[in-house]
Amino acid sequence: EDQVTQSPEALRLQEGESSSLNCSYTVSGLRGLFWYRQDPGKGPEFLFTLYSAGEEKEKERLKATLTKKESFLHITAPKPEDSATYLCAVQVPTGGGNKLTFGTGTQLKVEL
Amino acid sequence: DAGITQSPRHKVTETGTPVTLRCHQTENHRYMYWYRQDPGHGLRLIHYSYGVKDTDKGEVSDGYSVSRSKTEDFLLTLESATSSQTSVYFCAIGAGDNQPQHFGDGTRLSIL
Repeated sequence: EDQVTQSPEALRLQEGESSSLNCSYTVSGLRGLFWYRQDPGKGPEFLFTLYSAGEEKEKERLKATLTKKESFLHITAPKPEDSATYLCAVQVPTGGGNKLTFGTGTQLKVEL
Repeated sequence: DAGITQSPRHKVTETGTPVTLRCHQTENHRYMYWYRQDPGHGLRLIHYSYGVKDTDKGEVSDGYSVSRSKTEDFLLTLESATSSQTSVYFCAIGAGDNQPQHFGDGTRLSIL
């Protein structure tokens, strides 16, 4: 069974304090790993797709990396507006329909 | 923002009543998905569609049915709502293989 585990469940940072969120996965073949950001009362907002081990993607203060067993979302010098829940999801070749399996997310709060 | 509209945004109803949620897209994407999001479980796939009149079950499909008569509309029906179906429901759309899914802002459904 495909599994996605995110850690920590919650993270509190001071503004400017860099850190990393972890997404570990156990799947039978990875087609893609996706990171999303979700604000309260909103739907998930797409951030990155990673397809193969060693790949990296960056956007402003966020950088996503991928290994064969896990992905990290690095947040450099975060600001209060980076506060949100960050979700990762994996897509595997089986079953069709480009279905995603999601982790339960990391709730990030950045304080002044 | 991806052109996805969910309606209604909020609904309160009673156990045993039928409920239909609507998802409308303006992106002409092939794939459409219905998820539910509950604390501790993350996003779980209910049903998905890979074309007009082509649908399939996700991991939590019991008690739900779907229909897609036009590319732009995907309906989720709870034939006889139960309290365990109280949740936030998200619709998502996807263009194709390895492409990210984009989400609507959700419907908060309470069943009393």
